[in-house]
Amino acid sequence: QKEVEQDPGPLSVPEGAIVSLNCTYSNSAFQYFMWYRQYSRKGPELLMYTYSSGNKEDGRFTAQVDKSSKYISLFIRDSQPSDSATYLCAMIRNQGGKLIFGQGTELSVKP
Amino acid sequence: GAGVSQTPSNKVTEKGKYVELRCDPISGHTALYWYRQSLGQGPEFLIYFQGTGAADDSGLPNDRFFAVRPEGSVSTLKIQRTERGDSAVYLCASRSRQGGNEQFFGPGTRLTVL
Repeated sequence: QKEVEQDPGPLSVPEGAIVSLNCTYSNSAFQYFMWYRQYSRKGPELLMYTYSSGNKEDGRFTAQVDKSSKYISLFIRDSQPSDSATYLCAMIRNQGGKLIFGQGTELSVKP
Repeated sequence: GAGVSQTPSNKVTEKGKYVELRCDPISGHTALYWYRQSLGQGPEFLIYFQGTGAADDSGLPNDRFFAVRPEGSVSTLKIQRTERGDSAVYLCASRSRQGGNEQFFGPGTRLTVL
């Protein structure tokens, strides 16, 4: 069993929809939680970073962490075609440590 | 400023050959990471440098893989006796000491072993 599980999709939504992306994890030692966006043939870029349980909002993006359930989510409001990409959740046990990634969810936002 | 750069962008080689992949981190970043991403998968950790030394090499799959960072800046990932299963995108990331946990990724090197 992988440490971080993520539904690979693909997920297709119409423009303007609310998108919900999720990951579960098995190791309670994870302390830091990230969401990366990866466009085709590019490197991942950091979207959201959270440390504790709760919500964090940045523009159209909201990240949620529930440590008791070992479950993290990313919500995208008013989705745009430019949001079409692969979204990767990632976690770290210790400050500065290696990232453990989920499989990635491929999202397509149709105009 | 310049981001993380990786060369070559693409590398095609034959089974059994030796390859070197290069990573130029963001200037001043002390930490450097190598990851490998297979098609349809998330990146998997290979090795992490803090300065010149490997702080964690637990992700290297076997002794055919080796990485160096002799001056604490540029890093080279070396793969001996390549196998078809080594085909993947090799990603490099760097992080500043003051930057918390944010790792900045390069575009990757796409390695194809025929």
